[in-house]
Amino acid sequence: GAGVSQSPSNKVTEKGKDVELRCDPISGHTALYWYRQSLGQGLEFLIYFQGNSAPDKSGLPSDRFSAERTGGSVSTLTIQRTQQEDSAVYLCASSPLEGNWGNQPQHFGDGTRLSIL
Amino acid sequence: AQSVAQPEDQVNVAEGNPLTVKCTYSVSGNPYLFWYVQYPNRGLQFLLKYITGDNLVKGSYGFEAEFNKSQTSFHLKKPSALVSDSALYFCAVRDTNNAGNMLTFGGGTRLMVKP
Repeated sequence: GAGVSQSPSNKVTEKGKDVELRCDPISGHTALYWYRQSLGQGLEFLIYFQGNSAPDKSGLPSDRFSAERTGGSVSTLTIQRTQQEDSAVYLCASSPLEGNWGNQPQHFGDGTRLSIL
Repeated sequence: AQSVAQPEDQVNVAEGNPLTVKCTYSVSGNPYLFWYVQYPNRGLQFLLKYITGDNLVKGSYGFEAEFNKSQTSFHLKKPSALVSDSALYFCAVRDTNNAGNMLTFGGGTRLMVKP
């Protein structure tokens, strides 16, 4: 079956522009996560959607960052008025919530590499 | 609060030799522990997890990890390294006392296997 799909795979844009990054989770996965990874570094949590509950936005670095998840499936991460420090790889992951969901691994997409000129 | 540390930025090992990638964690409850691998320009791939039970966990590609509660460690091991194991490895933890399903990741360890 298909894994987590992210688009675009690469995005180059000018400072000050808005960007939208898309994530299609694995079908049936009700939990969805966004992370940011700077070059060769660890993962920085951004936002987490769990079923129909209000998202956990505690990791969003500024109010320029927002995310939506429509219909409990596809998610879009939006960065407004991009800055050079926003350059990074943005990773999306999903996991199921049935059973003892806390022990379920997260399944990652290949990420969107964002470069701000 | 939950946290995880990977004390080594890079581990170098010769092909055929055993490898260890270190991970220590801190939680207030019990830990769920995970190892992931990341190849260049790819997302993270799940290797193995410890939830409960046997302290030695076996996972994909011949990797295993040993849970040590007294040392709060979950080191990743492989008896014989392959050049193709060269990648970035991440340890992650979830505290069972946390209501959410949040994982905290370590900073990653780059494994270099030389032929």
